[in-house]
Amino acid sequence: QVQLQESGPGLVKPSQTLSLTCTVSGGSISSGAYYWTWIRQPAGKGLEWIGRIYVSGTTFYNPSLESRVSISADTSKNQFSLRLTSVTAADTAMYYCVRDEGGFNSRAMDVWGQGIMVTVSS
Amino acid sequence: DIQMTQSPSTLSASVGDRVTITCRASQGISNWLAWYQQKPGKAPKPLIYKTSNLQSGVPSRFSGSGSGTEFTLTISSLQPDDFATYYCQQYESFSRTFGQGTKVESK
Repeated sequence: QVQLQESGPGLVKPSQTLSLTCTVSGGSISSGAYYWTWIRQPAGKGLEWIGRIYVSGTTFYNPSLESRVSISADTSKNQFSLRLTSVTAADTAMYYCVRDEGGFNSRAMDVWGQGIMVTVSS
Repeated sequence: DIQMTQSPSTLSASVGDRVTITCRASQGISNWLAWYQQKPGKAPKPLIYKTSNLQSGVPSRFSGSGSGTEFTLTISSLQPDDFATYYCQQYESFSRTFGQGTKVESK
């Protein structure tokens, strides 16, 4: 059974870079069937798709975040990562890493990590 | 970007009620629509994919329908465990988007 686990700092200073890692267990991120995705959710608000990466390295980002975000993958560690630059208080949120299945019979976002709370504050 | 709009934002219902939540897309998304359930302090739980297919382990009282731009999630007989917030999500485009959520609360 595939499991995802987020890790990284829970507190980031304004204007700095938020960096999170998602470790995948029970399956390989090199599988061609999936996109590896980041979602965030500010407290009391809805879900926001940040972006995703395919095993080939192809990435897609939320247009509203595209200038500040990058997602990368390390197949040797079975991990993928999120970097968000120039953070402000508006980036304070719970961040989830998610498996998003591709293909005609896609089950969409079928596996979620438990989430990691990141606060932007000095 | 494809915008997703859910209605209502909040729904008050009682155990045993039939509950319907609507999700509208700003442009056609064929049947590339998923639903998620989220409880406070927890990650979203996948419920339905491709409009009407239940994820593994999801009770049959949940069902989904629709195509194009209008979709519905129905709970045939609301159970105590179903009080939660529900989100629709389109995956027709390269850029995924969610609805704003519908909170199902106890009447």
